[in-house]
Parts: sequence; structure tokens; C-alpha cells
Amino acid sequence: TQLLEQSPQFLSIQEGENLTVYCNSSSVFSSLQWYRQEPGEGPVLLVTVVTGGEVKKLKRLTFQFGDARKDSSLHITAAQPGDTGLYLCAGEPPGANSKLTFGKGITLSVRP
Amino acid sequence: DVKVTQSSRYLVKRTGEKVFLECVQDMDHENMFWYRQDPGLGLRLIYFSYDVKMKEKGDIPEGYSVSREKKERFSLILESASTNQTSMYLCASIKIGIGTGNTIYFGEGSWLTVV
Repeated sequence: TQLLEQSPQFLSIQEGENLTVYCNSSSVFSSLQWYRQEPGEGPVLLVTVVTGGEVKKLKRLTFQFGDARKDSSLHITAAQPGDTGLYLCAGEPPGANSKLTFGKGITLSVRP
Repeated sequence: DVKVTQSSRYLVKRTGEKVFLECVQDMDHENMFWYRQDPGLGLRLIYFSYDVKMKEKGDIPEGYSVSREKKERFSLILESASTNQTSMYLCASIKIGIGTGNTIYFGEGSWLTVV
């Protein structure tokens, strides 16, 4: 089983601060996805990256896929309380036929 | 709008009861999955299905079974519920993307407490 390690596990910051969180593996993935999950709800897909070195932006969120397709980062600029939630990364191993491997998640709290 | 609907949001069952968790998707997807999510353990795959009447074991299938009689419906069954099956259960449906990555849609989750 390919593992995805997410760091840090918990993060509490003030509104307006910038932050970067990570999703790392020693294995290659065909694609990697980031989700945000709010308490009591299912995860919601934020982005999918498929090409090594790819950078995608979603408003104040910037996602990068590592050149070797083994890791990814999520950068949030000027965090807002609405960004609070659990951030999950999930990778699809080559040939896995849509079967994803999930990290354990990063709990982000943004204080007003 | 894409929709994955889990029939029960909150359930309380007794040890030994048979439990059915239903999931319906309206996107004509072939691939459907059942996960459970526990604090500190993340999402773990229980069973998945690539088509009607097809099922494959995930990483933690013990104590569970599934049924896929229709394409839109994927049911998770706990034959004899135990307290260690208290968890949040998530159903997912996947749209296959060729070269663009797959898109996974989750239901809202079913919180099961076994007492």
C-alpha cells in the first residue's frame, strides 16, 4: 500500500496569515487530489493535478504537484475563517483504476 | 448538479443488528466506493464496485459486505454490527477522466453508532 504523509497534522493561524501544507510520499502517483472537509460533511474536491510540476490556482489557494509526482503542496494566501476545515490529499497509484490512497488529513483552524 | 445521496445521516444500532447503509448516485458512474473515516486513521477503503453485480474488497472488508444490483445504487451491509464499527461511513462515486485525473464525489456521510 502506498502511503501519503500529510504535514503538519494540525495548524492554527490568525486571519490574514499565509500558510503552506504538504502531502508527501515515496511512491509515484498518476494524479493527486486535494479535498476540504467540514465537520459532519463529506469531503469536497478542490483540485486534481496530473502533470509533474503542475501548478493550479483556485482563488487564494495554490496547489503544486512535485516534478517526480510523489508529493504536493497547498499554499493559502491571506487565510480566512472560512478556510477552516480538514484538508485531505489523495493519490491514484499507476494502474489503480480510480482506487485512491488518502492521507490522514491536516486540520486547519483560522482565527478571526 | 452532481449528487451522491446517503440515505441515513445518523443511525444508532445495537450490537448484533444487521445494518444497511444505502448510497445512490445520479451521474451514471460505474465506479462506486465505500469508506469509513475515523479520527487519526483517515479514510479507509472497505469495498468498491466497478459495475453492476461486481464488487472487490478494499483494505478493511472484514465484517462488511456490499450489494450493487443497480448501477446507481451501492449498499453497504453490516451483517452483525459490533461496537468497533462505530464510525462515519462515506460513499463515493467516481467520474473517470482520461488524462485529466478522476473526479470523486462524496456523499454527506452516515454516522453510525453501535451500542
